[in-house]
Amino acid sequence: DQQVKQNSPSLSVQEGRISILNCDYTNSMFDYFLWYKKYPAEGPTFLISISSIKDKNEDGRFTVFLNKSAKHLSLHIVPSQPGDSAVYFCAASSIGGTSYGKLTFGQGTILTVHP
Amino acid sequence: KAGVTQTPRYLIKTRGQQVTLSCSPISGHRSVSWYQQTPGQGLQFLFEYFSETQRNKGNFPGRFSGRQFSNSRSEMNVSTLELGDSALYLCASSRGLAGQGPFYEQYFGPGTRLTVT
Repeated sequence: DQQVKQNSPSLSVQEGRISILNCDYTNSMFDYFLWYKKYPAEGPTFLISISSIKDKNEDGRFTVFLNKSAKHLSLHIVPSQPGDSAVYFCAASSIGGTSYGKLTFGQGTILTVHP
Repeated sequence: KAGVTQTPRYLIKTRGQQVTLSCSPISGHRSVSWYQQTPGQGLQFLFEYFSETQRNKGNFPGRFSGRQFSNSRSEMNVSTLELGDSALYLCASSRGLAGQGPFYEQYFGPGTRLTVT
């Protein structure tokens, strides 16, 4: 039962263009969402997060959009740079209760940005 | 500010042995979560510790255990190793305080690559 899904295993974009990574979730109890970037042989690096009370959060070149009714979130990277090439993971959490400290991750999307 | 550190970075063990992995969280972070990453299952939550108490546990057998010390450092132990335990083990730290989303943002260490032969 995969509660967080990233349906695109890979994405290829040109440098300078927009990268859009998508994520869907099924558990309506999730109320906090995060994006991580991961390089091989390293741990995931936190990028940006969003609470379910918001529909958008921006941090520099990164913007996350949340559509609660569709249970869908997306990460926009503008402009994309070759250094952004990595695996991107979407993660979800429920604040408190029996979900302490637990992030539920998608399977990841490999982003390749071509010069 | 120093990040999350994990030791050792690489480990090779044989079936039936046990292994202990260590994690030092970011200074001031009281919550440590452990994850297993495999190609087939992705990132799976093992357990979480806060102030030396296990608050949450994932769906793993009892061979997987952990503990947290008073300085928030954490260890996880896997007994009677199986071939399927070969994975990247990641720990993550956060402030872990209830009620505010940003306190649940987790910061990961580089991981320990465990190979069981």
